[in-house]
Amino acid sequence: NAGVTQTPKFRILKIGQSMTLQCAQDMNHNYMYWYRQDPGMGLKLIYYSVGAGITDKGEVPNGYNVSRSTTEDFPLRLELAAPSQTSVYFCASRTLRGNTEAFFGQGTRLTVV
Amino acid sequence: AQKITQTQPGMFVQEKEAVTLDCTYDTSDPSYGLFWYKQPSSGEMIFLIYQGSYDQQNATEGRYSLNFQKARKSANLVISASQLGDSAMYFCAMREVGGYQKVTFGIGTKLQVIP
Repeated sequence: NAGVTQTPKFRILKIGQSMTLQCAQDMNHNYMYWYRQDPGMGLKLIYYSVGAGITDKGEVPNGYNVSRSTTEDFPLRLELAAPSQTSVYFCASRTLRGNTEAFFGQGTRLTVV
Repeated sequence: AQKITQTQPGMFVQEKEAVTLDCTYDTSDPSYGLFWYKQPSSGEMIFLIYQGSYDQQNATEGRYSLNFQKARKSANLVISASQLGDSAMYFCAMREVGGYQKVTFGIGTKLQVIP
């Protein structure tokens, strides 16, 4: 059972570079989320999606973009990377029905130098 | 707007003892869900327990129980019979039930279990 898969696990970017963090889930979940976790802090919501074609901003969307062309995939795009984007990024998903928990990926540790 | 407050940056507990991790929340929504997640040093987020705002009884999952006091807006996690493997960061989170069901996390409590 794959669950939520994030790639890559680690990445070092130079200032101004761009990259896409991949997230895929195989549980047919409607809801998907991107969070960032700064050292010693909780998770802050970047973007979320309630289904294919529908996305919305969270608390800290600046510097990021997302798309949701399929139910399975929810990539996060960083344009013009900045040192402030050094963080651990988590993707999560959950089903539409009921009061269920979110399933998290293993995280992507990104360093911008 | 939703807000989660965890006021204990770090906690120590003796192995086999019980420990309570505090969480208070603020929301204007009448319907919401409260969660606790564990994050060990390896970094993954592990779901522990869930409490719905309309649930009459406190949630329990094995050694984990959630002390839900709705009037005080608190949702404390109780871990009984602590084990060395319980050493981790613990996050309280709240999800609005309506709308897009955004989840808000607290800043976490680092628990260390002492042998």
